[in-house]
Amino acid sequence: QQQVKQSPQSLIVQKGGISIINCAYENTAFDYFPWYQQFPGKGPALLIAIRPDVSEKKEGRFTISFNKSAKQFSLHIMDSQPGDSATYFCAASRGHKLIFGAGTRLAVHP
Amino acid sequence: GAGVSQTPSNKVTEKGKYVELRCDPISGHTALYWYRQSLGQGPEFLIYFQGTGAADDSGLPNDRFFAVRPEGSVSTLKIQRTERGDSAVYLCASSLVGGQDTQYFGPGTRLTVL
Repeated sequence: QQQVKQSPQSLIVQKGGISIINCAYENTAFDYFPWYQQFPGKGPALLIAIRPDVSEKKEGRFTISFNKSAKQFSLHIMDSQPGDSATYFCAASRGHKLIFGAGTRLAVHP
Repeated sequence: GAGVSQTPSNKVTEKGKYVELRCDPISGHTALYWYRQSLGQGPEFLIYFQGTGAADDSGLPNDRFFAVRPEGSVSTLKIQRTERGDSAVYLCASSLVGGQDTQYFGPGTRLTVL
């Protein structure tokens, strides 16, 4: 059973554009929603995270929007740069066990 | 400071063989996790250690998989009688105190079972 569904699978954005990745979850007990960034040959690295008591969190060019009633959350990357080209994973947890989405491969073209 | 390190970076083995994968967590981190990442998928939880004990091993797929952390630092993931379906990247992560504390991932060990 896929508990966290992520879309799109791949995304191409022009430099300076906005990248948007969406995730939906099923388990209403989840209370922590991180986004991880992974470069080829590296492990995932935490980018930004949110808890369900807020609807939005912004850190620099990265923003998470959270819709508790719809059980959806999304990552927005403003002013996307070629260096942002990577695979992005959303995740959800209650406690220690992270449940990851399948990932979105982002390519930012110059 | 040093991050999570994993050895070997690549491991090729034959079906039926035994393999050991090693993880060195960030110094002082009490919690350690193993995940498995298949091609084109997100990491899948295997096991969580708090100190020396396995606090949650619910993600281990079957009894061919076993992990230890005897001194509360380095951990070894052991796979017996490997199968081609075990081929994946095995990721290790550590966190300072566990729970929902930030998990820091290592680069992974790419296991290929021929």
